[in-house]
Amino acid sequence: AQSVTQLDSQVPVFEEAPVELRCNYSSSVSVYLFWYVQYPNQGLQLLLKYLSGSTLVKGINGFEAEFNKSQTSFHLRKPSVHISDTAEYFCAVSGWNQGGKLIFGQGTELSVKP
Amino acid sequence: SAVISQKPSRDICQRGTSLTIQCQVDSQVTMMFWYRQQPGQSLTLIATANQGSEATYESGFVIDKFPISRPNLTFSTLTVSNMSPEDSSIYLCSVEAGLAGDTQYFGPGTRLTVL
Repeated sequence: AQSVTQLDSQVPVFEEAPVELRCNYSSSVSVYLFWYVQYPNQGLQLLLKYLSGSTLVKGINGFEAEFNKSQTSFHLRKPSVHISDTAEYFCAVSGWNQGGKLIFGQGTELSVKP
Repeated sequence: SAVISQKPSRDICQRGTSLTIQCQVDSQVTMMFWYRQQPGQSLTLIATANQGSEATYESGFVIDKFPISRPNLTFSTLTVSNMSPEDSSIYLCSVEAGLAGDTQYFGPGTRLTVL
């Protein structure tokens, strides 16, 4: 079985500052890792994913994440945030043999202030 | 990717009634998933729906409460039966797509309020 922990429920940050949203996972099998964003009153949009290969993955809207197998982490980063990045961010994991089932973290609310 | 639509987008229902949520995808997909997002919470998988077979339910979810249909490769429905206020949630469907079918894409969700 897999589990996901997002270490921060809320992250306030000023516009143009860098941000890191933390995600740790546990699994007994190899995993695929995802970050999704949910804007207010909308569905989930895929930001980026790690399936295999390079541990640094780049996504949409200037976000990137690094897979660290030894630390079982998949932290999301952006060097300079915008007001429009204000949203809920979800980290999710899928075991390679779990039939596509996604396990989600509790979410991190990113609030970007001017 | 895949383009997914859901109907209705939102509804307000009375206790004891049932609501059927539709999910339509713009391409044929093997696996469709239904999730629940309770207010202020994360997403929890309800069931996996494959065409031509019974849906597979996760622990804590039963077919009598959440019957699912999957009549073809582009469509599925989820019914929330005998509703109570605790069923007030956003219900989202998702599909596996991408080059290796290894990424889930989500519909916009159905926001359900039960009075």
